[in-house]
Amino acid sequence: GQQLNQSPQSMFIQEGEDVSMNCTSSSIFNTWLWYKQDPGEGPVLLIALYKAGELTSNGRLTAQFGITRKDSFLNISASIPSDVGIYFCAGLLSAGANSKLTFGKGITLSVRP
Amino acid sequence: DAGVTQSPTHLIKTRGQHVTLRCSPISGHKSVSWYQQVLGQGPQFIFQYYEKEERGRGNFPDRFSARQFPNYSSELNVNALLLGDSALYLCASSPILRGLTTGYTFGSGTRLTVV
Repeated sequence: GQQLNQSPQSMFIQEGEDVSMNCTSSSIFNTWLWYKQDPGEGPVLLIALYKAGELTSNGRLTAQFGITRKDSFLNISASIPSDVGIYFCAGLLSAGANSKLTFGKGITLSVRP
Repeated sequence: DAGVTQSPTHLIKTRGQHVTLRCSPISGHKSVSWYQQVLGQGPQFIFQYYEKEERGRGNFPDRFSARQFPNYSSELNVNALLLGDSALYLCASSPILRGLTTGYTFGSGTRLTVV
């Protein structure tokens, strides 16, 4: 099935550094979502973006919905050890109650203390 | 409030067997979706149910089926299991506001291993 493009597959940063992740698609979406998944758990929603060009923050996290509606980025500032995990972007093209999330392959983030 | 609950948490089945996975949505959420997550990949959409009706189906064979009950809980059934069906099966519930799906909350998943 279709997946969004996330790269690189893994990122290694030092505690305290900022990190940015991009997500691109060949299709447009009406909503972009960023999730974090820890081992053995389901994805947890970090930020949701509903309008093209929207910039939204949630604590140390900032995400933007690209104006073409085909991309989004997530920025984590001043990283801490608990930021370790897999970060997924997901696009939603909702048509009323019919909707599905299309996910990227995820980026595994490691934070060195 | 309880989140999305899934059972069982882990399951081992033999090729050719049948499996039923269960999901209880967040109270008040009427839409339930199922996703398959193979190791190293993002979740892939299987089904969406709303008001007990199938509203969407992903690219999965007919061996996969699901249903939603009057209390909005849901079951995912997989027949004639193959080794490739080994995955984490995730359930997500969402409210429907003014006819639109808004927000998805995932459960912790059921880890299915087919041997």
